[in-house]
Amino acid sequence: DVKVTQSSRYLVKRTGEKVFLECVQDMDHENMFWYRQDPGLGLRLIYFSYDVKMKEKGDIPEGYSVSREKKERFSLILESASTNQTSMYLCASSSEQIGTSVGEQYFGPGTRLTVT
Amino acid sequence: QQQVKQSPQSLIVQKGGISIINCAYENTAFDYFPWYQQFPGKGPALLIAIRPDVSEKKEGRFTISFNKSAKQFSLHIMDSQPGDSATYFCAASIEGYGGSQGNLIFGKGTKLSVKP
Repeated sequence: DVKVTQSSRYLVKRTGEKVFLECVQDMDHENMFWYRQDPGLGLRLIYFSYDVKMKEKGDIPEGYSVSREKKERFSLILESASTNQTSMYLCASSSEQIGTSVGEQYFGPGTRLTVT
Repeated sequence: QQQVKQSPQSLIVQKGGISIINCAYENTAFDYFPWYQQFPGKGPALLIAIRPDVSEKKEGRFTISFNKSAKQFSLHIMDSQPGDSATYFCAASIEGYGGSQGNLIFGKGTKLSVKP
């Protein structure tokens, strides 16, 4: 069964801390994505990656960075957490295999991050 | 041009009724239109998707209606059940492999409550 796991379901951090959110997929997918979800704003793309060691900015990359050292793992880094980064963070992956749609993304359960 | 506009923001339907959620887009290059369903505490999951070569797709009680000329598509849930209570997101993308063209553009979501 397809699985995307995220390291924490809930996380509380202090302003200024460096925060790591980890995501692992077991489907050998090429593409991985980080979104944040806020009420009334839907899902907003932070960063994505189409290959190992490759990354591209999404719609709201400010204040975030990412790392993809292995195909199955995609990490989101908050260099200096701020209260406006309190949100639900969702990781997703998708395949680029012939016959599949890049649009068919599989999501993890999310990490609810609170920055105080 | 990259936006997908979704309405309504919230919807209350009686058990057995029909739930209808609408989405509109501007970019005529979009050629893949999925709907995602998200239960509380879970990540979104693909529910049903359509491509513009057909005007309707049905899977069980869920139907997507697609109007290419109006650049609109909608999700119909027939015989709505309390278990359908969730947040629904429409999305659009340009189907392809690699690069940002395959990224999903999400609507802001509709919170559906089905009353028993």
